Amino acid sequence: GAVVSQHPSRVICKSGTSVKIECRSLDFQATTMFWYRQFPKQSLMLMATSNEGSKATYEQGVEKDKFLINHASLTLSTLTVTSAHPEDSSFYICSARKGSVANTGELFFGEGSRLTVL
Amino acid sequence: LAKTTQPISMDSYEGQEVNITCSHNNIATNDYITWYQQFPSQGPRFIIQGYKTKVTNEVASLFIPADRKSSTLSLPRVSLSDTAVYYCLVGFSGGYNKLIFGAGTRLAVHP
Repeated sequence: GAVVSQHPSRVICKSGTSVKIECRSLDFQATTMFWYRQFPKQSLMLMATSNEGSKATYEQGVEKDKFLINHASLTLSTLTVTSAHPEDSSFYICSARKGSVANTGELFFGEGSRLTVL
Repeated sequence: LAKTTQPISMDSYEGQEVNITCSHNNIATNDYITWYQQFPSQGPRFIIQGYKTKVTNEVASLFIPADRKSSTLSLPRVSLSDTAVYYCLVGFSGGYNKLIFGAGTRLAVHP
């Protein structure tokens, strides 16, 4: 199957700093990537849809100025958590779909990035 | 987007067959049904996808009745390593369309 890689897998930062998480599709091009957040013992919550070359589409309740998403190329999307606070501590997961709009390509997920804000 | 309902948790023993049923009463004509598996601190992993009737691959089977308002993931002869959370997702799987996760089913396989 296709590979989606995230970096870093774990990050610890101080409150008030910004953290960037990268999501790469290693062996396919992804026009669209998705960012999810997952708290302990809970399901994945979709944060935003990242579109190559255009602005991301954020889900209701997700602050676009706090969670900056950039999709500069067909293989890379980044999520920057700005001015992080302890409540932003979570497991962030990206995903990408291999294939065109017309087919039923499966969604490939990255390994996840665990953010801990002190 | 169709909402899904699954049992919160299930318990099984090694070697048994496990069937997890998902309800999706509002499924749309274009929607596909996809199941994912997630281990702690890992991203979800694709298990199987189907539109109607039965689909089988090397790890699971997916049964979908004619009305498509539910689906059942069948795991044959589970092992301890199948202990995970299983998510049923419903949506059009075409490129730009997002998939929303439900609560999932936490499966515990015991020796």
